[in-house]
Amino acid sequence: QSVLTQPPSVSAAPGQKVTISCSGSRSNVGINYVSWFQQLPGTAPKLLIHDNTARPSGIPDRFSASKSGTSATLDISGLQTGDEADYHCGAWDTNLDSYVFGTGTTVTVL
Amino acid sequence: QVHLQESGPGLVKPSETLSLTCFVSGVSISDYFWSWIRQPPGKGLEYIGYIHPRGNSLYSPSLKSRVTIAADTSRSQLSLTLRSVTDTDTAVYYCARHEEVPFIRRGFDYWGQGSLATVSS
Repeated sequence: QSVLTQPPSVSAAPGQKVTISCSGSRSNVGINYVSWFQQLPGTAPKLLIHDNTARPSGIPDRFSASKSGTSATLDISGLQTGDEADYHCGAWDTNLDSYVFGTGTTVTVL
Repeated sequence: QVHLQESGPGLVKPSETLSLTCFVSGVSISDYFWSWIRQPPGKGLEYIGYIHPRGNSLYSPSLKSRVTIAADTSRSQLSLTLRSVTDTDTAVYYCARHEEVPFIRRGFDYWGQGSLATVSS
């Protein structure tokens, strides 16, 4: 059902950086705004990034995002054990006239 | 502060109707849009649809024929009705708030804790 493609998992040591990609198409990532959500184990998703690059109040600047063409990227720098979670991207799809999510990426801190 | 709390029956039989409620506190539901999103066990998020209590609503094409989302401003509640369920409808169902449509550029800023609905005979 997921329209946006993410890598199933990424991992790195504490203090390192991970990058999560979100690949879509023109009708979603290409022309609409991307959000990113963090889902800690056993909890509800939490808004991490909106408007492609903006962080809500309280989200540390270790989390940053960008978008180019039909792909978006979430970077997590200075990785901490508390960052172990699933990360989901999302965007409106103009063709489907509905919101779509990515396949989700599990971040593991080695 | 804003708080969303989903509730539901937990277990639903195949072909029957799933009904879920989301109680909202800390804000007037009339001032925002409200979406339902589900997550099958071990899988990603799936969008279901949204409502604005003043009358605007939209459903995902894949679920449109079976879903109804409603709002009760007097009770500060949203509801989700999913008809003719099958085991593929087993999921944690979340309600979430957003500020605008249709592009939802600012994302879903408040989420409930989720309600697990299992479809099984």
